[in-house]
Amino acid sequence: EAGVTQFPSHSVIEKGQTVTLRCDPISGHDNLYWYRRVMGKEIKFLLHFVKESKQDESGMPNNRFLAERTGGTYSTLKVQPAELEDSGVYFCASSQEGRGTYEQYFGPGTRLTVT
Amino acid sequence: GEDVEQSLFLSVREGDSSVINCTYTDSSSTYLYWYKQEPGAGLQLLTYIFSNMDMKQDQRLTVLLNKKDKHLSLRIADTQTGDSAIYFCAVLSYNTDKLIFGTGTRLQVFP
Repeated sequence: EAGVTQFPSHSVIEKGQTVTLRCDPISGHDNLYWYRRVMGKEIKFLLHFVKESKQDESGMPNNRFLAERTGGTYSTLKVQPAELEDSGVYFCASSQEGRGTYEQYFGPGTRLTVT
Repeated sequence: GEDVEQSLFLSVREGDSSVINCTYTDSSSTYLYWYKQEPGAGLQLLTYIFSNMDMKQDQRLTVLLNKKDKHLSLRIADTQTGDSAIYFCAVLSYNTDKLIFGTGTRLQVFP
């Protein structure tokens, strides 16, 4: 069974540009989460999808971040315009519904560098 | 808000036991986790414990939970060089599905 995949693995962009990160969850997982780790600090929750609906977006830092999950399969996270403080590693995770919700499986992350 | 704290570094000799500690503030956390991140890799779910348990053992890994002190620990027996990684403690925030992570403990195993 394939794990959570993320694309790209690395992205280097200039301040003010736009970047779109993609996450493909484990097949059959209705729950999809985005987290990020900034500057070696703790990993922080951004948002949670259940299928195509946003269940919890309390961690989204500001309106420069837009997450979508059309069709309830893969998800994209767009940052527009990017700022220096957006640099970090963006992780995606997925989990099953019901009891499986307690097991979140993470992807390898996308390292974003804003210069 | 919820807070999870870990020490930043731990260095142990190969073959010894490692103990990584974590404290948390949210007494209503239901599940508590240990994730492992090897260099260049993602977060691997190592193990987790439900809050009504005191201990969970899985091969070389032992998780201990002290709910009174809000203290979680991960013991790795017979530590190997392949165990060198960053270990993250995380708790499931009450009534949500979001994980609250600590800053991670970098475990270095030397021969």
